[in-house]
Amino acid sequence: EVQLVESGGGLVQPGGSLRLSCAASGFTFRSYWMHWVRQAPGKGLVWVSHINSDGSSTNYADSVKGRFTISRDNAKNTLYLQMNSLRAEDTAVYYCAREGDTFYAMDVWGQGTTVTVSS
Amino acid sequence: QSVLTQPPSVSAAPGQKVTISCSGSSSNIGNNYVSWYQQLPGTAPKVLIYDTNKRPSGIPDRFSGSKSGTSATLGITGLQTGDEADYYCGTWDSSLSAGVFGGGTKLTVL
Repeated sequence: EVQLVESGGGLVQPGGSLRLSCAASGFTFRSYWMHWVRQAPGKGLVWVSHINSDGSSTNYADSVKGRFTISRDNAKNTLYLQMNSLRAEDTAVYYCAREGDTFYAMDVWGQGTTVTVSS
Repeated sequence: QSVLTQPPSVSAAPGQKVTISCSGSSSNIGNNYVSWYQQLPGTAPKVLIYDTNKRPSGIPDRFSGSKSGTSATLGITGLQTGDEADYYCGTWDSSLSAGVFGGGTKLTVL
């Protein structure tokens, strides 16, 4: 079964750091681009970042550029999001998603992990 | 506000048809494929349409996608109560070098 499972969310104080992980199974992880997408409580989907299949190219939303870093370990079938200098507005459910053999369409999503930034 | 503009809500009766619009610009919808996602309450999004008008296996042909210029449309026919969800359009924006989503449309099946 194709699956993505996020972990690492939690409560963190403003200015703090957190690292999210996304464990992939059931497909050849190293062949796919991967994304992080977040959703603040009661709000819509917001794209955060993507990384290409070998990890050599990344892009970020302006709102997280310079604070968040996406990476992957293809040997461990795992995607990461290192989040530093966290702000209250980063509070959201964070989803990892696989980009399918398509143009920029996310065909597999994890269940999400919740990040709450609050003092 | 989102780069892609969707109506906040649409509604229709069971069995009827509804369309959801997604308006963008030449840097996103105008020159790239569009995907559509369905998010049922409390669940992760699911792709309904990719490459503007293609359906993944398992998605019924009641769902369709199209594009004209800088706008895309999701059509749903034969509405069912189970279709009540939030729907999002998404694509790549070449000017921003970023992924973009619409603000989402809540579908109510009356």
